[in-house]
Amino acid sequence: EAGVTQSPTHLIKTRGQQATLRCSPISGHTSVYWYQQALGLGLQFLLWYDEGEERNRGNFPPRFSGRQFPNYSSELNVNALELEDSALYLCASSGQTHTRQGNEQFFGPGTRLTVL
Amino acid sequence: AQSVTQPDIHITVSEGASLELRCNYSYGATPYLFWYVQSPGQGLQLLLKYFSGDTLVQGIKGFEAEFKRSQSSFNLRKPSVHWSDAAEYFCAVGTGGGNKLTFGTGTQLKVEL
Repeated sequence: EAGVTQSPTHLIKTRGQQATLRCSPISGHTSVYWYQQALGLGLQFLLWYDEGEERNRGNFPPRFSGRQFPNYSSELNVNALELEDSALYLCASSGQTHTRQGNEQFFGPGTRLTVL
Repeated sequence: AQSVTQPDIHITVSEGASLELRCNYSYGATPYLFWYVQSPGQGLQLLLKYFSGDTLVQGIKGFEAEFKRSQSSFNLRKPSVHWSDAAEYFCAVGTGGGNKLTFGTGTQLKVEL
């Protein structure tokens, strides 16, 4: 069974540009989560999508946004990039949230975003 | 709001020695608890989880963890460490019904041969 996949593996952008990161969940999973892992800041929750809707959002500015498609894959967009956005962005997926499996998140390999 | 504390930033053990990584959580109700491992530049791999029931849970790669409600702890243990266990370990707490995980700051494990 394929795990969570993310693309691209690495992304290099300059300040002010926009970045788009993609995530495909495990087959059968309906929830997708995004986390940021920046040096010195640990793993911070960004966004949670379930059944196409944004369910929760972490303490990040509005220039961090995303969406979930009908096939449950997801996209994270970061507008007006700043140097401090450089980080590893991790996507996770889980099963239906009303089930036991909904509480177990499986992570992808991440996208390394570098902002110059 | 929930929180997780991993008091040890770095731990060094000799190969073959036993290991215990500490994790304390703060959450008002029964938590969902997890341990993940991350190798350099990689994503997180789930080692084990506690949802309810037996307080001693077994995971992959020979790891186990014990949930102690009275101490708000969920420490990770392994009886004999292998050099391939060198990585960063994260404890996390969830609140159920999906939703986010809150992670500790991680413990970097070094294994001496």
